[in-house]
Amino acid sequence: KQEVTQIPAALSVPEGENLVLNCSFTDSAIYNLQWFRQDPGKGLTSLLLIQSSQREQTSGRLNASLDKSSGRSTLYIAASQPGDSATYLCAARLSGGYNKLIFGAGTRLAVHP
Amino acid sequence: DTGVSQNPRHKITKRGQNVTFRCDPISEHNRLYWYRQTLGQGPEFLTYFQNEAQLEKSRLLSDRFSAERPKGSFSTLEIQRTEQGDSAMYLCASSLETGSSSGYTFGSGTRLTVV
Repeated sequence: KQEVTQIPAALSVPEGENLVLNCSFTDSAIYNLQWFRQDPGKGLTSLLLIQSSQREQTSGRLNASLDKSSGRSTLYIAASQPGDSATYLCAARLSGGYNKLIFGAGTRLAVHP
Repeated sequence: DTGVSQNPRHKITKRGQNVTFRCDPISEHNRLYWYRQTLGQGPEFLTYFQNEAQLEKSRLLSDRFSAERPKGSFSTLEIQRTEQGDSAMYLCASSLETGSSSGYTFGSGTRLTVV
């Protein structure tokens, strides 16, 4: 059974810091891994999608890496801003015809001025 | 295309009443998913459709829950005889699957409160 864990559960940092959010998964046979952002009481916004054949994806100040062999993905946020404050969720999709995402519980990020 | 649309945004209902939620996916997406999220947790899979066919249902989806996707377009999720434990955010997502995946696009969700 695929389990996804995110560390830390919560993080509070001053503006301008570079951040690393961690995601680990127990089954390395994944099809892809997706990072989402969720603002309080809102839906999920897709940030980055990494296919199983890829090692990393970048979008602006965000960079996500994937290491299937170790069962890990990291989301790197450069030069954090107060507007980055949100919950960040990672979700793994298994290969082999499975069609659902398995989510971690998220990392709650607060960036203060 | 404005993305995945869900209605209503909020629903407050009395225990025992029936409720229905609607999801309009991105028009060219062939798959539609329903998830449920409780406070402080990640979303949990409920069910998914490939076009109009419902292909998988989670054991979380009790017999009080039913989902439909007539004509492979919008979808509805109905909960009969609601219970307080049904209070959650119900999220809909869609994706385009054509050999590779476009990734999931989620809607803004419907927050259900059962009193």
